[in-house]
Amino acid sequence: AQTVTQSQPEMSVQEAETVTLSCTYDTSESDYYLFWYKQPPSRQMILVIRQEAYKQQNATENRFSVNFQKAAKSFSLKISDSQLGDAAMYFCAYRSPPYMRFGAGTRLTVKP
Amino acid sequence: GAVVSQHPSRVICKSGTSVKIECRSLDFQATTMFWYRQFPKQSLMLMATSNEGSKATYEQGVEKDKFLINHASLTLSTLTVTSAHPEDSSFYICSARIPGLNTEAFFGQGTRLTVV
Repeated sequence: AQTVTQSQPEMSVQEAETVTLSCTYDTSESDYYLFWYKQPPSRQMILVIRQEAYKQQNATENRFSVNFQKAAKSFSLKISDSQLGDAAMYFCAYRSPPYMRFGAGTRLTVKP
Repeated sequence: GAVVSQHPSRVICKSGTSVKIECRSLDFQATTMFWYRQFPKQSLMLMATSNEGSKATYEQGVEKDKFLINHASLTLSTLTVTSAHPEDSSFYICSARIPGLNTEAFFGQGTRLTVV
């Protein structure tokens, strides 16, 4: 069974600084997708970034980038120039159709 | 991006009654939708996979008779919590993907159910 592990229940970052959230996963599949979702206090799940396992290049979306290490089954999220609006729960997710599995989440606090 | 609408956003019901939660894909047809439950400060736990025109597939430990899922059309799946009890109080979220595309899941706004 696929599992997703986020070892950091809480993280804190100073506004304008950079923070990295960790995620590891376990799978025997070779073709899958990885995602980072953000869940603000409104509880709406918002896609931050996604990575296809077959792509070696790390995905980037503006201030958000990932470090995808397929052999190590690691998928960390880097947030650059952190903003107050980045404060939220962040969930790492793994998808090998049809299922999507989520990590336990990391609560990110951004200090002004 | 694609839109998934979930209704109601909040509901309070009396113990022993049933409550229905709707999940609609507004601008695409979803042959498959997913229902999650999220306890406070915890992750999303997949409850069941809703398949249009066929029976839902439930995760281990989820009571089929307690959580009835109906996916009668390509744009609507419903979750009915039957004979609700206070321990059913939780946040329920649905999601859907665009068929044939290897895209992310789109999530509804979630429903906070409180059973009193």
